Amino acid sequence: NAGVTQTPKFRVLKTGQSMTLLCAQDMNHEYMYWYRQDPGMGLRLIHYSVGEGTTAKGEVPDGYNVSRLKKQNFLLGLESAAPSQTSVYFCASSYLGVAFVAKNIQYFGAGTRLSVL
Amino acid sequence: AQTVTQSQPEMSVQEAETVTLSCTYDTSESDYYLFWYKQPPSRQMILVIRQEAYKQQNATENRFSVNFQKAAKSFSLKISDSQLGDAAMYFCAYSGANTGNQFYFGTGTSLTVIP
Repeated sequence: NAGVTQTPKFRVLKTGQSMTLLCAQDMNHEYMYWYRQDPGMGLRLIHYSVGEGTTAKGEVPDGYNVSRLKKQNFLLGLESAAPSQTSVYFCASSYLGVAFVAKNIQYFGAGTRLSVL
Repeated sequence: AQTVTQSQPEMSVQEAETVTLSCTYDTSESDYYLFWYKQPPSRQMILVIRQEAYKQQNATENRFSVNFQKAAKSFSLKISDSQLGDAAMYFCAYSGANTGNQFYFGTGTSLTVIP
Protein backbone atom coordinates (compact mmCIF):
# COMPACT_ATOMS: atom_id res chain seq x y z
CA ASN A 1 0.00 0.00 0.00
CA ALA A 2 1.82 3.11 -1.26
CA GLY A 3 -0.40 5.72 0.49
CA VAL A 4 0.30 9.18 -0.94
CA THR A 5 2.96 9.44 -3.64
CA GLN A 6 4.41 12.69 -4.94
CA THR A 7 6.47 13.13 -8.08
CA PRO A 8 9.01 14.49 -8.60
CA LYS A 9 10.93 14.62 -5.30
CA PHE A 10 13.23 17.44 -6.41
CA ARG A 11 13.07 20.01 -9.16
CA VAL A 12 14.98 23.11 -10.17
CA LEU A 13 13.28 25.64 -12.43
CA LYS A 14 14.26 28.90 -14.01
CA THR A 15 12.06 31.93 -13.48
CA GLY A 16 9.17 31.86 -15.94
CA GLN A 17 9.22 28.12 -16.56
CA SER A 18 6.18 25.99 -15.92
CA MET A 19 5.80 22.63 -14.28
CA THR A 20 3.26 20.24 -12.81
CA LEU A 21 3.55 18.32 -9.56
CA LEU A 22 1.66 15.08 -9.39
CA CYS A 23 0.05 13.61 -6.30
CA ALA A 24 -1.46 10.14 -6.31
CA GLN A 25 -3.24 8.34 -3.47
CA ASP A 26 -4.41 4.75 -3.37
CA MET A 27 -6.61 4.97 -0.28
CA ASN A 28 -9.80 6.04 -2.10
CA HIS A 29 -9.85 9.30 -0.14
CA GLU A 30 -12.28 12.01 -1.11
CA TYR A 31 -10.27 15.00 0.06
CA MET A 32 -6.89 16.01 -1.29
CA TYR A 33 -4.70 19.00 -0.49
CA TRP A 34 -1.61 20.86 -1.59
CA TYR A 35 0.53 22.69 0.99
CA ARG A 36 3.74 24.60 0.86
CA GLN A 37 6.22 24.59 3.72
CA ASP A 38 8.58 27.50 4.26
CA PRO A 39 11.04 27.98 7.13
CA GLY A 40 9.39 29.44 10.21
CA MET A 41 5.92 29.39 8.65
CA GLY A 42 4.65 25.87 9.06
CA LEU A 43 2.46 24.42 6.33
CA ARG A 44 0.14 26.67 4.40
CA LEU A 45 -2.74 25.41 2.29
CA ILE A 46 -2.54 26.29 -1.41
CA HIS A 47 -5.58 24.51 -2.87
CA TYR A 48 -7.71 21.58 -1.94
CA SER A 49 -10.32 19.30 -3.45
CA VAL A 50 -13.36 17.71 -1.85
CA GLY A 51 -13.94 15.30 -4.72
CA GLU A 52 -13.31 14.47 -8.33
CA GLY A 53 -13.81 17.48 -10.58
CA THR A 54 -13.93 20.01 -7.71
CA THR A 55 -11.23 22.31 -6.36
CA ALA A 56 -11.10 25.25 -3.98
CA LYS A 57 -8.62 27.91 -2.93
CA GLY A 58 -6.74 27.72 0.31
CA GLU A 59 -4.69 30.31 2.15
CA VAL A 60 -2.03 31.01 -0.52
CA PRO A 61 -3.47 30.14 -3.97
CA ASP A 62 -1.91 32.88 -6.11
CA GLY A 63 0.44 31.65 -8.82
CA TYR A 64 -0.85 28.07 -8.66
CA ASN A 65 -3.54 26.08 -10.41
CA VAL A 66 -4.85 22.61 -9.64
CA SER A 67 -6.90 19.92 -11.27
CA ARG A 68 -8.56 16.75 -10.06
CA LEU A 69 -9.74 14.85 -13.08
CA LYS A 70 -9.51 11.50 -11.32
CA LYS A 71 -10.30 10.77 -7.70
CA GLN A 72 -6.85 9.36 -7.00
CA ASN A 73 -4.84 12.20 -8.56
CA PHE A 74 -4.40 15.84 -7.65
CA LEU A 75 -2.15 17.99 -9.83
CA LEU A 76 -0.50 21.26 -8.85
CA GLY A 77 0.63 23.54 -11.66
CA LEU A 78 2.93 26.52 -11.75
CA GLU A 79 2.36 28.40 -15.00
CA SER A 80 5.21 30.90 -14.64
CA ALA A 81 7.50 30.03 -11.76
CA ALA A 82 8.88 32.80 -9.54
CA PRO A 83 11.69 32.69 -6.95
CA SER A 84 9.03 33.25 -4.24
CA GLN A 85 7.68 29.81 -5.08
CA THR A 86 10.88 28.13 -3.92
CA SER A 87 9.57 25.86 -1.20
CA VAL A 88 8.83 22.31 -0.17
CA TYR A 89 5.44 21.17 -1.42
CA PHE A 90 3.35 18.55 0.32
CA CYS A 91 0.31 16.71 -0.89
CA ALA A 92 -2.12 15.13 1.55
CA SER A 93 -5.37 13.22 1.46
CA SER A 94 -8.08 12.44 3.97
CA TYR A 95 -11.17 10.35 4.44
CA LEU A 96 -14.66 11.82 4.37
CA GLY A 97 -16.74 8.94 5.58
CA VAL A 98 -18.35 8.20 8.90
CA ALA A 99 -15.75 5.81 10.23
CA PHE A 100 -14.54 7.87 13.14
CA VAL A 101 -11.17 6.23 13.46
CA ALA A 102 -9.98 7.52 10.13
CA LYS A 103 -12.04 10.68 9.74
CA ASN A 104 -10.22 14.01 9.55
CA ILE A 105 -6.75 12.46 9.61
CA GLN A 106 -4.55 13.75 6.81
CA TYR A 107 -2.01 11.43 5.23
CA PHE A 108 0.98 13.11 3.66
CA GLY A 109 3.31 12.42 0.79
CA ALA A 110 7.07 12.71 1.18
CA GLY A 111 7.23 16.21 -0.28
CA THR A 112 8.75 17.88 -3.34
CA ARG A 113 11.62 20.30 -2.95
CA LEU A 114 11.32 23.00 -5.61
CA SER A 115 13.92 25.65 -6.29
CA VAL A 116 13.20 28.52 -8.68
CA LEU A 117 16.31 30.38 -9.82
CA ALA B 1 -10.09 32.23 10.47
CA GLN B 2 -8.66 29.69 12.82
CA THR B 3 -5.12 30.23 14.08
CA VAL B 4 -2.70 27.85 15.70
CA THR B 5 0.21 29.15 17.74
CA GLN B 6 3.32 27.30 18.83
CA SER B 7 5.35 29.68 20.94
CA GLN B 8 8.43 27.47 21.34
CA PRO B 9 10.50 27.46 18.12
CA GLU B 10 13.07 25.13 19.72
CA MET B 11 13.12 22.75 22.66
CA SER B 12 15.63 20.25 23.98
CA VAL B 13 15.36 17.29 26.31
CA GLN B 14 17.74 14.78 27.80
CA GLU B 15 17.27 11.21 26.65
CA ALA B 16 14.83 9.33 28.93
CA GLU B 17 13.43 12.57 30.33
CA THR B 18 10.02 14.15 29.74
CA VAL B 19 9.30 17.20 27.62
CA THR B 20 6.14 19.19 26.94
CA LEU B 21 5.47 21.10 23.74
CA SER B 22 2.90 23.89 23.84
CA CYS B 23 0.14 24.77 21.40
CA THR B 24 -2.74 27.21 21.58
CA TYR B 25 -5.47 27.78 19.04
CA ASP B 26 -8.27 30.17 18.34
CA THR B 27 -11.65 29.11 16.98
CA SER B 28 -15.34 29.86 17.26
CA GLU B 29 -16.33 26.32 16.31
CA SER B 30 -17.56 23.86 18.89
CA ASP B 31 -16.74 20.65 17.03
CA TYR B 32 -13.17 20.17 15.90
CA TYR B 33 -10.09 17.99 16.01
CA LEU B 34 -6.56 18.69 17.14
CA PHE B 35 -3.44 16.90 16.01
CA TRP B 36 0.26 16.65 16.60
CA TYR B 37 2.37 15.72 13.60
CA LYS B 38 6.05 14.81 13.68
CA GLN B 39 8.40 15.71 10.83
CA PRO B 40 11.81 14.04 11.08
CA PRO B 41 14.71 14.99 8.79
CA SER B 42 13.26 12.69 6.14
CA ARG B 43 10.50 15.36 5.72
CA GLN B 44 7.73 12.79 6.03
CA MET B 45 4.81 14.09 8.10
CA ILE B 46 3.79 11.46 10.64
CA LEU B 47 0.66 11.63 12.76
CA VAL B 48 1.56 11.35 16.43
CA ILE B 49 -1.74 11.82 18.20
CA ARG B 50 -5.27 13.14 17.68
CA GLN B 51 -7.82 14.67 20.06
CA GLU B 52 -11.53 15.14 19.47
CA ALA B 53 -12.84 18.36 21.01
CA TYR B 54 -15.97 16.77 22.43
CA LYS B 55 -13.93 14.27 24.44
CA GLN B 56 -12.87 15.38 27.89
CA GLN B 57 -10.41 12.53 28.25
CA ASN B 58 -6.92 13.33 27.05
CA ALA B 59 -5.62 11.19 24.21
CA THR B 60 -2.59 8.95 24.76
CA GLU B 61 -0.44 6.92 22.39
CA ASN B 62 2.26 4.97 24.19
CA ARG B 63 4.85 7.56 25.33
CA PHE B 64 2.88 10.46 23.85
CA SER B 65 0.00 12.14 25.63
CA VAL B 66 -1.80 15.45 25.41
CA ASN B 67 -3.16 17.94 27.89
CA PHE B 68 -6.29 19.32 26.24
CA GLN B 69 -7.78 22.36 27.94
CA LYS B 70 -10.81 23.30 25.83
CA ALA B 71 -11.78 26.44 27.72
CA ALA B 72 -8.23 27.75 27.55
CA LYS B 73 -7.86 26.57 23.93
CA SER B 74 -4.65 24.85 24.81
CA PHE B 75 -3.32 21.55 23.45
CA SER B 76 0.11 20.51 24.71
CA LEU B 77 2.04 17.37 23.84
CA LYS B 78 3.97 15.46 26.49
CA ILE B 79 6.68 13.05 25.42
CA SER B 80 7.76 10.68 28.17
CA ASP B 81 10.98 8.66 28.25
CA SER B 82 12.35 10.65 25.32
CA GLN B 83 14.31 8.71 22.75
CA LEU B 84 16.84 9.82 20.15
CA GLY B 85 14.32 8.98 17.45
CA ASP B 86 11.94 11.58 18.85
CA ALA B 87 14.17 14.35 17.53
CA ALA B 88 12.13 16.13 14.88
CA MET B 89 10.01 19.13 14.09
CA TYR B 90 6.59 18.88 15.74
CA PHE B 91 3.53 20.61 14.32
CA CYS B 92 0.27 21.25 16.06
CA ALA B 93 -2.75 21.30 13.74
CA TYR B 94 -6.44 22.14 13.91
CA SER B 95 -9.29 20.86 11.79
CA GLY B 96 -12.87 21.96 12.12
CA ALA B 97 -15.37 19.15 11.86
CA ASN B 98 -17.48 21.12 9.42
CA THR B 99 -14.89 23.13 7.47
CA GLY B 100 -14.14 20.77 4.63
CA ASN B 101 -11.39 19.02 6.53
CA GLN B 102 -9.11 22.02 6.14
CA PHE B 103 -6.11 21.92 8.41
CA TYR B 104 -4.45 24.88 10.06
CA PHE B 105 -0.88 24.32 11.20
CA GLY B 106 1.29 26.01 13.74
CA THR B 107 4.80 27.11 12.86
CA GLY B 108 6.40 24.11 14.51
CA THR B 109 8.72 23.30 17.41
CA SER B 110 12.11 21.78 16.71
CA LEU B 111 12.89 19.14 19.34
CA THR B 112 16.46 18.09 20.06
CA VAL B 113 17.12 14.98 22.15
CA ILE B 114 20.44 15.06 23.98
CA PRO B 115 22.11 11.68 24.56
